[in-house]
Amino acid sequence: GESVGLHLPTLSVQEGDNSIINCAYSNSASDYFIWYKQESGKGPQFIIDIRSNMDKRQGQRVTVLLNKTVKHLSLQIAATQPGDSAVYFCAENFGNEKLTFGTGTRLTIIP
Amino acid sequence: NAGVMQNPRHLVRRRGQEARLRCSPMKGHSHVYWYRQLPEEGLKFMVYLQKENIIDESGMPKERFSAEFPKEGPSILRIQQVVRGDSAAYFCASSRTAYEQYFGPGTRLTVT
Repeated sequence: GESVGLHLPTLSVQEGDNSIINCAYSNSASDYFIWYKQESGKGPQFIIDIRSNMDKRQGQRVTVLLNKTVKHLSLQIAATQPGDSAVYFCAENFGNEKLTFGTGTRLTIIP
Repeated sequence: NAGVMQNPRHLVRRRGQEARLRCSPMKGHSHVYWYRQLPEEGLKFMVYLQKENIIDESGMPKERFSAEFPKEGPSILRIQQVVRGDSAAYFCASSRTAYEQYFGPGTRLTVT
């Protein structure tokens, strides 16, 4: 079926190091992908998005990479800070205006 | 520029009661979406609305759940005769177009 999944449910990273969160998707028709950050007790916060006609997009300290050949999406966070600790979700949209979310990866920054 | 607003933030209902969840989209946004999140899980799409229209309700349970987005006022997600399985966090998102959905803080519903 169509789904968005994550390889690792938890990830611990030393403060200051870079982190990479991975996501696999199965719907080749998906044309838009978003990464969200969700802190405990809060709603998902938009981080960065990418359209299927792109391979890479950069924001402030974050980079999203899209590999359509293997249907893989990753979020790279540079120089992690304690405030980066949260659950990160990837979500996909295949033109029907609703997002399909993965189950999330919990990122913990170790001081 | 206020973000998406939801209220109440926490709602406790006894089995059989009704729950009403409200969502005010960001200024200038005409698309509203409702999602449900169970603990330790991702968000699941429920319904997509524009002003006075339900565009996609494919994620809504067939019974007891309804949603509206009137010409004036917030969007409402209504759950009738709540059961324990309805306990979850309900998130509203809004967007100007079909993309870049911005989420509110959520309503945490507890059914006792």
